[in-house]
Amino acid sequence: DAGITQSPRHKVTETGTPVTLRCHQTENHRYMYWYRQDPGHGLRLIHYSYGVKDTDKGEVSDGYSVSRSKTEDFLLTLESATSSQTSVYFCAISWDIGAYEQYFGPGTRLTVT
Amino acid sequence: DAKTTQPTSMDCAEGRAANLPCNHSTISGNEYVYWYRQIHSQGPQYIIHGLKNNETNEMASLIITEDRKSSTLILPHATLRDTAVYYCIVRLSSGGSQGNLIFGKGTKLSVKP
Repeated sequence: DAGITQSPRHKVTETGTPVTLRCHQTENHRYMYWYRQDPGHGLRLIHYSYGVKDTDKGEVSDGYSVSRSKTEDFLLTLESATSSQTSVYFCAISWDIGAYEQYFGPGTRLTVT
Repeated sequence: DAKTTQPTSMDCAEGRAANLPCNHSTISGNEYVYWYRQIHSQGPQYIIHGLKNNETNEMASLIITEDRKSSTLILPHATLRDTAVYYCIVRLSSGGSQGNLIFGKGTKLSVKP
């Protein structure tokens, strides 16, 4: 398995609190991605990064911010969590864009009460 | 929106070949066909991808029709551990957000003893 870890694996938080999810890779891949997965919607891209300090928005970026200060770490922040952000969050990495496969982490289950 | 159409579910007997179809009638010349699967509660797992030619790896074979409007993923000897949701994804080979994966609803494959 690709060396991707996510932390925490499970989190319960209250509406209005800030939350940060971490994705860590040991593969030195250039691209990193954050997806969310909800019943009936499949996986949807939130943000992605194409290098240190280089990020861009995905399909469902509202309410989320990201940062990448090191190649190996990609952080996803919910500035003020809402119940609609209850979801399973997956991080993925790929060596480059184009015809390169993405490898996924184990996921973080976030519940906002 | 996903550019692919897959059956919602399929069954397969253990030890038999599982053939999962996918229609992608609007595929363009520089788009690849990717297959991923997701076993319950885990992150998606890359299986195989191709452009025009048939491809085979240790997990599966990918058969793409000559007009590239459809493809079939073949698991040659399905086991119970192959029970999962299988996603067929069409993806640009170029950079930017267009190169990101867009997951549809997939096919739930159930391998039965």
